[in-house]
Amino acid sequence: NAGVTQTPKFQVLKTGQSMTLQCAQDMNHNSMYWYRQDPGMGLRLIYYSASEGTTDKGEVPNGYNVSRLNKREFSLRLESAAPSQTSVYFCASSGTDRTKLSNQPQHFGDGTRLSIL
Amino acid sequence: SQQGEEDPQALSIQEGENATMNCSYKTSINNLQWYRQNSGRGLVHLILIRSNEREKHSGRLRVTLDTSKKSSSLLITASRAADTASYFCATAKGSNYKLTFGKGTLLTVNP
Repeated sequence: NAGVTQTPKFQVLKTGQSMTLQCAQDMNHNSMYWYRQDPGMGLRLIYYSASEGTTDKGEVPNGYNVSRLNKREFSLRLESAAPSQTSVYFCASSGTDRTKLSNQPQHFGDGTRLSIL
Repeated sequence: SQQGEEDPQALSIQEGENATMNCSYKTSINNLQWYRQNSGRGLVHLILIRSNEREKHSGRLRVTLDTSKKSSSLLITASRAADTASYFCATAKGSNYKLTFGKGTLLTVNP
């Protein structure tokens, strides 16, 4: 099983460029998430999608947009990249049982390392 | 804002010793989860403990939860070099299935 697949694994952008990070899961999960991880900050939630067709803001949504393309895919877009968005981005998914969403673990991809110059 | 806070920030032990990491949180929770992250990789779920549970075991892992003190501990027994990783606690509140992660404990197990 591939689990959660993120592309690309590494990317360098110049300030002002745009980019879309891709995420796909093959576990038939309902919910998907985007986090960023910065040194000393742990993981912070950017956006999430509780189910296909819905998206909501997390803790740090400014400068990002998301699209839940279908049940498998959840993309994160940076419209105009800024140096403060240099980070490692993780996609995660969870939940096959809609009645137990709050008690299901999240499964993570291996991240996209993004540097913005 | 961070809900869970791990303690210590870093821990270095010898192979075979036990490792204990602590997590404190601020508000009521539905469950608390522990994750491991190896260098350069994504997080891997280790164990979930519900708010009405006090202790849970999985292999060499033992997790306790004290809701009155708003704290949890993760014990790894008979540690191995392969246990070297960062460990994060994460809390889920109410029916909200979003997780809030702490900043992590970096565990180094020396052979």
